[in-house]
Order: sequence, then structure tokens, then C-alpha cells
Amino acid sequence: GDSVTQMEGPVTLSEEAFLTINCTYTATGYPSLFWYVQYPGEGLQLLLKATKADDKGSNKGFEATYRKETTSFHLEKGSVQVSDSAVYFCALGSGTYKYIFGTGTRLKVLA
Amino acid sequence: GAGVSQSPSNKVTEKGKDVELRCDPISGHTALYWYRQSLGQGLEFLIYFQGNSAPDKSGLPSDRFSAERTGGSVSTLTIQRTQQEDSAVYLCASSLEHGASYEQYFGPGTRLTVT
Repeated sequence: GDSVTQMEGPVTLSEEAFLTINCTYTATGYPSLFWYVQYPGEGLQLLLKATKADDKGSNKGFEATYRKETTSFHLEKGSVQVSDSAVYFCALGSGTYKYIFGTGTRLKVLA
Repeated sequence: GAGVSQSPSNKVTEKGKDVELRCDPISGHTALYWYRQSLGQGLEFLIYFQGNSAPDKSGLPSDRFSAERTGGSVSTLTIQRTQQEDSAVYLCASSLEHGASYEQYFGPGTRLTVT
């Protein structure tokens, strides 16, 4: 069945460091891909998405490119801030409705 | 505008008791989803509604779990005879339309603890 695998955390970085959180997927057909973020004490919110191969989603300085050839959707940010500390979830939209989420990666950014 | 709301935010119950969890989706959203987030796990899909109907109930863990949606709006997830393994955060999400490419808006969740 469809699945999402993302790198385990926690990831600890200093402010202004470069961030990469890896995400790979297995799916039949052509899923949509998402990154959701969960800030402390808050609900999940969509960070960015891509609906077809080679699309790049971007928001708040974060980017991810839908790579069909490597079945990946890695999240990147050039310079992280303390306020980026959160749990990041990679997800795919499969079939007509089902979302499949990764286990989440906790990011901690130190000042 | 108002987002997805869930109640209660926290629920502690004794093993064997029944619990009801409520979700108020964003007004006008036709699709509603329930997920379970256990410690250290990703989100586990439970059930979704298109309007008031639930085309796929296969994600429900057991027959102790049921859900309904009325008036195309509020949804209730009921867990009967709760067990300790039911302890988790239950998340509700809604989207404008039904479909995997639509953004889902999540509520803050209900943290259920079964003692």
C-alpha cells in the first residue's frame, strides 16, 4: 500500500543553519504531496504542497520539490529561525481522499 | 474566520466507559476527516465524511468505534468500552471539497487518556 517515510528526529540546529528534512513515498498513481507543521500547543497546518511531478511548493522560506524519479519530497530552508521549532509531517494524498502521514520530525532551533 | 474546533480538549476516562468526541468543521466544508495520533506515531486515518455519509469506515480500529455527522456539519466520534490502547490524540480535519489534493484544516485535537 501507499506509505510515507520521513527522517527521524529530533533535529537540532543553530539559528541561520540550513535545514533538510527527508521524505520519500511509495504510491500507485500520482499522489499529491504535502508538508504540514505543528507548532507547540497548536494544531497541524499546511505548510506547502505540490500536486504533480517537478512542482515546487514554497511558503515562509520553506521549499520542497516533487521528485517522481526519486519518489521524494524533501523539505528545505536556507536559514532557520528559533520560531521554526515545531514538528513537521510529510503526507501524501492518495486516491480520492486518503491522506497518509509520516511519523513527523521534530525540529529544535537554538538561538 | 473560525477554524475547526474540537471538544473536549482533554478527556480522562476509566477503562470500560464510553466517550464522545466532537468536531465542528469550518462552515461550508463538505468533507470531514478523523485521525488518531498516538505517541511517537504518525497520524492514523480513521474515517471520512462526504456530507453526512461515510463511504469508507475501514480505518476504524474496531467495532467499538463509530462516527456520525449530522446536517453536513458537526461530527461525533464515539468510542465504546474504552481500552487503554485507545489513549491518543484524536484529530479532526475538514476540507472545502472531497479529494486528496484539497488542503485539510485541522482542529487542535482531543487528548484522550484511558486509565
